[in-house]
Amino acid sequence: QIQLMQSGAEVKKPGASVKVSCRASGYTFTSYYMQWVRQAPGQGLEWMGIINPRDGSTTYAQKLQGRVTMTRDTSTSTVHMELSSLRSEDTAVYYCVRDMTLDYWGQGTLVTVSS
Amino acid sequence: EIVLTQSPGTLSLSPGERATLSCRASQSVSSNYLAWYQQKPGQAPRLLIYGASSRATGIPDRFSGSGSGADFTLTISRLEPEDFAVYFCHQYGSSPMYTFGQGTKLEIK
Repeated sequence: QIQLMQSGAEVKKPGASVKVSCRASGYTFTSYYMQWVRQAPGQGLEWMGIINPRDGSTTYAQKLQGRVTMTRDTSTSTVHMELSSLRSEDTAVYYCVRDMTLDYWGQGTLVTVSS
Repeated sequence: EIVLTQSPGTLSLSPGERATLSCRASQSVSSNYLAWYQQKPGQAPRLLIYGASSRATGIPDRFSGSGSGADFTLTISRLEPEDFAVYFCHQYGSSPMYTFGQGTKLEIK
């Protein structure tokens, strides 16, 4: 069955960086885009960006340009999302999600930014 | 950027009733690339509807999507107890700026 397994919760200080991983299984990794979506506590969903696992090309939300980097490792069917210069407003659950329709979601990774 | 506005913010209904949720876009959504998701507390969202009206795999037929252009609707024909949750719409036609609505909370009356 299709699964997206994310790395565990992180606690970071303001100004630091965080890297969240997402390992895909149950389908051909390079055949589907992967997206990242985040959700601050009690808030709605925010689209962060998209990566094409086939060639590694990316597009990021304008709001996060310069702070977010998405990469992929085809040997392990894993995508990574790194967010730098963290602020308290970046505290959220981060999800990796498959395809344009967001048909399969990872379990979420809580990133807490606190001094 | 396409702004999606969902209404109402909160909908209070009883099991067995019909629910109608609205999602309006600030401009036409390309190719009706509009999806709906259900989210329960502590869980990731679940895809219900894509392409404005196509049900995702395993979604009961009491869920239906309709609309085109800038006006879309999610209808739940007869509410079951497990349907009370938050619902989000999402447009994925305006590359690369994909956006979400702010959500509608469906609560038990």
